Amino acid sequence: QKEVEQDPGPLSVPEGAIVSLNCTYSNSAFQYFMWYRQYSRKGPELLMYTYSSGNKEDGRFTAQVDKSSKYISLFIRDSQPSDSATYLCAMSFYSNYQLIWGAGTKLIIKP
Amino acid sequence: DVKVTQSSRYLVKRTGEKVFLECVQDMDHENMFWYRQDPGLGLRLIYFSYDVKMKEKGDIPEGYSVSREKKERFSLILESASTNQTSMYLCASRVTGTGANYGYTFGSGTRLTVV
Repeated sequence: QKEVEQDPGPLSVPEGAIVSLNCTYSNSAFQYFMWYRQYSRKGPELLMYTYSSGNKEDGRFTAQVDKSSKYISLFIRDSQPSDSATYLCAMSFYSNYQLIWGAGTKLIIKP
Repeated sequence: DVKVTQSSRYLVKRTGEKVFLECVQDMDHENMFWYRQDPGLGLRLIYFSYDVKMKEKGDIPEGYSVSREKKERFSLILESASTNQTSMYLCASRVTGTGANYGYTFGSGTRLTVV
């Protein structure tokens, strides 16, 4: 079993829909949780960062961590074609420890 | 704007060649990383470096080595390229600390094909 599980998709939704992307993990010691967005032929870029449990909002994006269920989510409201990308979750035990990555979910927003 | 620059976007090399992939960052970051990314397997850590002259093996170091002689430059070396090393290679850097600065900054990647 992988430490971090993420459905590879693709997930295809119409423009304007609310998107929910998810990762599950097995190690309850993870404390730092991140979402990265990767456009085709580019490197990943940091989208959202959360420490421990709770929600964090940034514009149309909301990151949610449920440590009791070992489950993290990224919600995208009013999705746009420009949101089409691969979304990777990543997590870590300590602030300076290396990241453990999900395999990424490919998201397609249809105009 | 901070940047991680990888010297080549696309490379084609022959089996058995020694291959050098270069990565330079302009952010004075202490930590640097080399990953490979393959469909369905996600990002896999090859090597990382916490500081100049320091290196640590990641999850898949076999067939690779690294060099970090200067803080801004981290090189990945394929000692004798093989076809199973055909992949996208991503370099990343990170400042040591907490908060949003903890995030990695990635280069655009080098797509290496070994024939």
